[in-house]
Amino acid sequence: EAQVTQNPRYLITVTGKKLTVTCSQNMNHEYMSWYRQDPGLGLRQIYYSMNVEVTDKGDVPEGYKVSRKEKRNFPLILESPSPNQTSLYFCASSLSRQYNEQFFGPGTRLTVL
Amino acid sequence: GQQVMQIPQYQHVQEGEDFTTYCNSSTTLSNIQWYKQRPGGHPVFLIQLVKSGEVKKQKRLTFQFGEAKKNSSLHITATQTTDVGTYFCAGPMNSGYSTLTFGKGTMLLVSP
Repeated sequence: EAQVTQNPRYLITVTGKKLTVTCSQNMNHEYMSWYRQDPGLGLRQIYYSMNVEVTDKGDVPEGYKVSRKEKRNFPLILESPSPNQTSLYFCASSLSRQYNEQFFGPGTRLTVL
Repeated sequence: GQQVMQIPQYQHVQEGEDFTTYCNSSTTLSNIQWYKQRPGGHPVFLIQLVKSGEVKKQKRLTFQFGEAKKNSSLHITATQTTDVGTYFCAGPMNSGYSTLTFGKGTMLLVSP
């Protein structure tokens, strides 16, 4: 089954404790991205990757890091999480930037205390 | 900055009534996409519009892309309770089409 998976689905952590949210897709998609969703603000793009080893900032990159060492995986790293990063995070992938249908993962609800 | 605006933010209708959400971009878009997110779920792609003035239909849903490619609408005829959710439009905002900007969404509630 074609899908995007994220782990963990739920995470409660404390300020400053480094964490990684994993994202994996099995559709051989070139383009992957991370979004955060906050009430009243909709979906905002954090980082995106056009292909392996090619990443760039989206609209709200501060406090986040990403890497794309393999085509299928695109982890999101919070080196020193803060309470304002409490949010619902979605990973998404698409065939390429020209084919923009985004396939979203199930989401990761992160709470930073 | 460049943005995509969506109205209304929220609409509550009785089952059987029609519903429309509108999307306006500050810049001309190469294409626009629509997504639906059910409560507790993730966004799911509905459709992509590319051509100026394009109209596409999916059963009771009608999607339009404006002539100037700066606005779009989604119209649902005779809503059903299964239509409940938040509808987002999204478009590539930068010249390289590498980033996707979403509107804030319209939350639709349908009462039986």
